[in-house]
Amino acid sequence: NAGVTQTPKFRVLKTGQSMTLLCAQDMNHEYMYWYRQDPGMGLRLIHYSVGEGTTAKGEVPDGYNVSRLKKQNFLLGLESAAPSQTSVYFCASSYSGTRVLGYTFGSGTRLTVV
Amino acid sequence: DAKTTQPNSMESNEEEPVHLPCNHSTISGTDYIHWYRQLPSQGPEYVIHGLTSNVNNRMASLAIAEDRKSSTLILHRATLRDAAVYYCILRDRDDKIIFGKGTRLHILP
Repeated sequence: NAGVTQTPKFRVLKTGQSMTLLCAQDMNHEYMYWYRQDPGMGLRLIHYSVGEGTTAKGEVPDGYNVSRLKKQNFLLGLESAAPSQTSVYFCASSYSGTRVLGYTFGSGTRLTVV
Repeated sequence: DAKTTQPNSMESNEEEPVHLPCNHSTISGTDYIHWYRQLPSQGPEYVIHGLTSNVNNRMASLAIAEDRKSSTLILHRATLRDAAVYYCILRDRDDKIIFGKGTRLHILP
């Protein structure tokens, strides 16, 4: 039981390049989330999904796109990377009805844009 | 989600109890109180949650004030591995969590 797996773990991009971060969960969770965390700051929600084929914007969605074509996968895309997107990205998943349930987080992807 | 207020940082000695406070004066009757922690270089992990009554699990205890305007996460015997950022969060909806900045807990050996 792997839980939430993020790939890649590290990546360096040049400004203007594109990339996709993959989040995979094997717990049959309905909900999935992408957060970013900058040094010394808390987590900020980028986008989330409450089910296969659905996505919604979080606090800081600009510059990112997401897709949830399969229940177990949630992809985060950067079409044209900028240095301001240098951050650690965390994916999480949960069952629905999460007021009484916790999230499971992945171990993060450290992205540097130069 | 309603706002919570936590101290930026706290220190505690190893093997002593730690009480991490959280104020949430605008809490509504349907808000659940959740705590997460984030160890260095890791993703956050769920610790505990409650609604009105005090709660215990293997990781910690959660004490909720009678008026629910504040709560306290209690680590009964802190170890060096408990050094982390602790987040207090109110959940009034099922679809997403908005994190604050949390409390950075330092454990002194």
